[in-house]
Amino acid sequence: SQQGEEDPQALSIQEGENATMNCSYKTSINNLQWYRQNSGRGLVHLILIRSNEREKHSGRLRVTLDTSKKSSSLLITASRAADTASYFCATDAFKGSARQLTFGSGTQLTVLP
Amino acid sequence: DVKVTQSSRYLVKRTGEKVFLECVQDMDHENMFWYRQDPGLGLRLIYFSYDVKMKEKGDIPEGYSVSREKKERFSLILESASTNQTSMYLCASSLYSGRWETNSPLHFGNGTRLTVT
Repeated sequence: SQQGEEDPQALSIQEGENATMNCSYKTSINNLQWYRQNSGRGLVHLILIRSNEREKHSGRLRVTLDTSKKSSSLLITASRAADTASYFCATDAFKGSARQLTFGSGTQLTVLP
Repeated sequence: DVKVTQSSRYLVKRTGEKVFLECVQDMDHENMFWYRQDPGLGLRLIYFSYDVKMKEKGDIPEGYSVSREKKERFSLILESASTNQTSMYLCASSLYSGRWETNSPLHFGNGTRLTVT
């Protein structure tokens, strides 16, 4: 199973509303990253939160991390139609002899104008 | 801005063919990665490389090999393409900060959608 599992799988909201996506993981991590993917394109890095951080902001994005619950959330405030995309969390953890980023299966966000 | 370029956006190959997917990055990044993306499965790591001529297996290396002869170029090879390798293939690179250091953000190409018939 995936190290990072996003919830919900799909989310549809109206423009101006807030969107919240969650990510759960199973093992200890070094950091957690969120990425965005527009349809048919590659992923774009949004934000990185380290394991000793609890909250981080970047523009309209707010990420929280709860290592005791092994979960993270991504909040997009005042959403816009242009925020329509898939959002992935990626956990940075040791896997075998090296650190790797492991991606979840993503949340498809649709923002309706 | 970092640019990661994948040579083809769409590729159609026949079962049994040898397939080469090429990826070039222009920011002197040490680390390069190949992922495949399938609906409901997210991104799965096939192979990665920390340096020229170095390669390491990811989660799903079977049926694939890689080549990194130059720092900027990382090739994924399907030795004998099969229909279950139909997928979106994504190449990525990241700044090298030491093998044991925090993974810096990945920069992705736009992907190659491969169809094997």
